[in-house]
Amino acid sequence: GEDVEQSLFLSVREGDSSVINCTYTDSSSTYLYWYKQEPGAGLQLLTYIFSNMDMKQDQRLTVLLNKKDKHLSLRIADTQTGDSAIYFCAESMFSGGYNKLIFGAGTRLAVHP
Amino acid sequence: DAGVTQSPTHLIKTRGQQVTLRCSPKSGHDTVSWYQQALGQGPQFIFQYYEEEERQRGNFPDRFSGHQFPNYSSELNVNALLLGDSALYLCASSLKLGLAKNIQYFGAGTRLSVL
Repeated sequence: GEDVEQSLFLSVREGDSSVINCTYTDSSSTYLYWYKQEPGAGLQLLTYIFSNMDMKQDQRLTVLLNKKDKHLSLRIADTQTGDSAIYFCAESMFSGGYNKLIFGAGTRLAVHP
Repeated sequence: DAGVTQSPTHLIKTRGQQVTLRCSPKSGHDTVSWYQQALGQGPQFIFQYYEEEERQRGNFPDRFSGHQFPNYSSELNVNALLLGDSALYLCASSLKLGLAKNIQYFGAGTRLSVL
């Protein structure tokens, strides 16, 4: 089936690390994405990882992938107030040469001083 | 380099009316996908267009239809609007490479309110 699940809310103190978790269901090779959505805006691509990788780091962002458990996490180091937003995990479902994205419900990250 | 642009940004319609939303893809992209994001939820895939044909479709009724033009821009049409159609409609563009990693870039969306 097609299902991506995320925890709905996370609150962190400014300067701490944030870890947002996601589980997905597709067992075939796929790409997994993290998007950020600020109030009233569209989706901004943050990073992505292929399912044969364990980890990807991009500046303050670290993506960890546990293929056995189909668990994906996004770690934001030194979280800032500007990181407050909704973060979506998405799985790429590839079929017949075309792909679509299956999104989780989103994790609202609140950063407080 | 212009990103994905959508118009209008906001729209108010009444039940039973019809609406057309527009999308211009990122320069160099040839594939357009449409998503519906209801309040408090993640985006749901509606359909995808490539070479002016619908290539994939999500679980949406026939009231939702689309079109892609030779310049790769796209329209989403919704007929017989229902209150439940109120949502943010997102357009995403990508380059079809025949690979799973055809990253989708999103526009800012059109917020549709049905009264």
